[in-house]
Amino acid sequence: DGGITQSPKYLFRKEGQNVTLSCEQNLNHDAMYWYRQDPGQGLRLIYYSQIVNDFQKGDIAEGYSVSREKKESFPLTVTSAQKNPTAFYLCASSIVSGQGLNQPQHFGDGTRLSIL
Amino acid sequence: GENVEQHPSTLSVQEGDSAVIKCTYSDSASNYFPWYKQELGKRPQLIIDIRSNVGEKKDQRIAVTLNKTAKHFSLHITETQPEDSAVYFCAASGGSQGNLIFGKGTKLSVKP
Repeated sequence: DGGITQSPKYLFRKEGQNVTLSCEQNLNHDAMYWYRQDPGQGLRLIYYSQIVNDFQKGDIAEGYSVSREKKESFPLTVTSAQKNPTAFYLCASSIVSGQGLNQPQHFGDGTRLSIL
Repeated sequence: GENVEQHPSTLSVQEGDSAVIKCTYSDSASNYFPWYKQELGKRPQLIIDIRSNVGEKKDQRIAVTLNKTAKHFSLHITETQPEDSAVYFCAASGGSQGNLIFGKGTKLSVKP
């Protein structure tokens, strides 16, 4: 979807370095998500946020951090504590239904992170 | 928590044949089941989804069936075309927040 923009497309990290992946959406969605995709592993949830200034850990949050200061933006920082950061990172967003019903998630084009 | 198993991991069919991918889930409280198609190096795209109050949903050549009792749901693609070649992921809503849990994917190859 053209409404979700991830940057950069490719990123290289040195040992001991923190790097930040950008995710911006103009779909007016309340919820945003970060997934990690490894070959043959499907998508695994890192962090998610359903409202500004609030976020929760997903299944593999260790070594990652996020912020949600604006509705449109949900940056992900891969810290030096993440020892195996090489992966394809996908950001997604969705509306939040007041009835608690799950809604479709729409994905960005992803960022491929590699270690130098 | 929720666990989603997806089979097969690879599937090769001849153009015009049908393809079926099956997923099983563990949490009987799951109520939303989307399917995504991901072409090489691109974003996953939602192709069809189904909620637990429906047994079957169809959209042109694509259909999804849900069996709540057996806790499995399947993607059916009829009259396959080379452009259907991609990796397909199923997912189920799970956990206290209802987050999506994804299967590991099926690589579908349609041979002309």
